[in-house]
Amino acid sequence: QSALTQPPSVSGSPGQSVTISCTGTSSDVSSYNRVSWYQQPPGTAPKLMIYEVSNRPSGVPDRFSGSKSGNTASLTISGLQAEDEADYYCSSYTSSLYVFGTGTKVTVL
Amino acid sequence: EVRLVESGGGLVKPGGSLRVSCAASGFTFSNAWMSWVRQAPGKGLEWVGRIKSKTDGGTTDYAAPVKGRFTISRDDSKNTLYLQMNSLKTEDTAVYYCSRHYRSHYFDNWGQGALVTVSS
Repeated sequence: QSALTQPPSVSGSPGQSVTISCTGTSSDVSSYNRVSWYQQPPGTAPKLMIYEVSNRPSGVPDRFSGSKSGNTASLTISGLQAEDEADYYCSSYTSSLYVFGTGTKVTVL
Repeated sequence: EVRLVESGGGLVKPGGSLRVSCAASGFTFSNAWMSWVRQAPGKGLEWVGRIKSKTDGGTTDYAAPVKGRFTISRDDSKNTLYLQMNSLKTEDTAVYYCSRHYRSHYFDNWGQGALVTVSS
């Protein structure tokens, strides 16, 4: 299975909103509502931010939201904060396997 | 508190073998599905494979690049997950994370990772 496609980088000023896209195929993103998003600051392990397309685990700020349309999922960070600077990865279930996205570096200007 | 601690990483020659372990605590390990995810230096995350709980069949699935070379197993009496890696290639060099599944298809807790370097 091929990695899901994400933009290499996005940036925004504090308080702004940024959106990261995650494009898959008919075999993964568009076939299942089993899309998740992970935040990985430098030198640390990933952290689950969104599961099942748009659900937030306990403790994740509501500034983070997820959606999906067809074969593209999206993560939006509203009210960007300095602490949101990190790499972000999407992931999708696909026929007993899992695939991650290529990763997006979010920079807070 | 959920805790996952990997061990057993190191330097191995191409064609060699290595076993990485993941000690779990803070939750009922026997009920959990577990996965290994790796990250090559400076690269993105790559799912390696998953083992279900014994009550769900204990079955394993693997990503294509490691299928037939890597084996995931578990010892519920020791709360430990294993990744046996054989016929290692230089492209297997990565930090290997163990992760607990949440609601079957998401990874909600991660270890700190174990670095495996395959080089002559």
